[in-house]
Amino acid sequence: ILNVEQSPQSLHVQEGDSTNFTCSFPSSNFYALHWYRWETAKSPEALFVMTLNGDEKKKGRISATLNTKEGYSYLYIKGSQPEDSATYLCAFGGSSGTYKYIFGTGTRLKVLA
Amino acid sequence: DVKVTQSSRYLVKRTGEKVFLECVQDMDHENMFWYRQDPGLGLRLIYFSYDVKMKEKGDIPEGYSVSREKKERFSLILESASTNQTSMYLCASSLQGYYTFGSGTRLTVV
Repeated sequence: ILNVEQSPQSLHVQEGDSTNFTCSFPSSNFYALHWYRWETAKSPEALFVMTLNGDEKKKGRISATLNTKEGYSYLYIKGSQPEDSATYLCAFGGSSGTYKYIFGTGTRLKVLA
Repeated sequence: DVKVTQSSRYLVKRTGEKVFLECVQDMDHENMFWYRQDPGLGLRLIYFSYDVKMKEKGDIPEGYSVSREKKERFSLILESASTNQTSMYLCASSLQGYYTFGSGTRLTVV
């Protein structure tokens, strides 16, 4: 079973702080990496799809980077707000099975007002 | 607005009962998935289907079966529910790796 790990498992930050967390994945047979945001009582919502080494994507205060050679992606949140509180999931797609992605364990973020 | 709909948001069942969790998607996606989510373990794949009547075991299929008689519907079946199947169950469909999720069913087995 391929391993996709996220760290930290959970995180509490103060409103206005910037934060980041990591997704580690196998560095061979890479196809794509997805980031999702999962708020309580809602469906996971796609944030980014990253396919190329060195990719950097941005959506408002949230951005992500990708390093396929070393097998990691960072998600950054600048100036965290209480509405950013959610679980952030990454999903790794390998070239051998592109319709079946492997999800990480998630990072649960709580932003304190 | 594209949707994946799970039939129940919360469900309480007794040990030994046969339980059906239904999932319907309206996007004509070929791939559909059932996951369970438990604290500290992330999303674990139970079963997936890449076409009507086709199914494959995921990482934790024991105690579960699935049915896909129509493209839009993928059902998860707990043949004889047990307390260790208390969990959040999430259905998804995908096209070329782009997943759309349902809102989840929180199942409690007592």
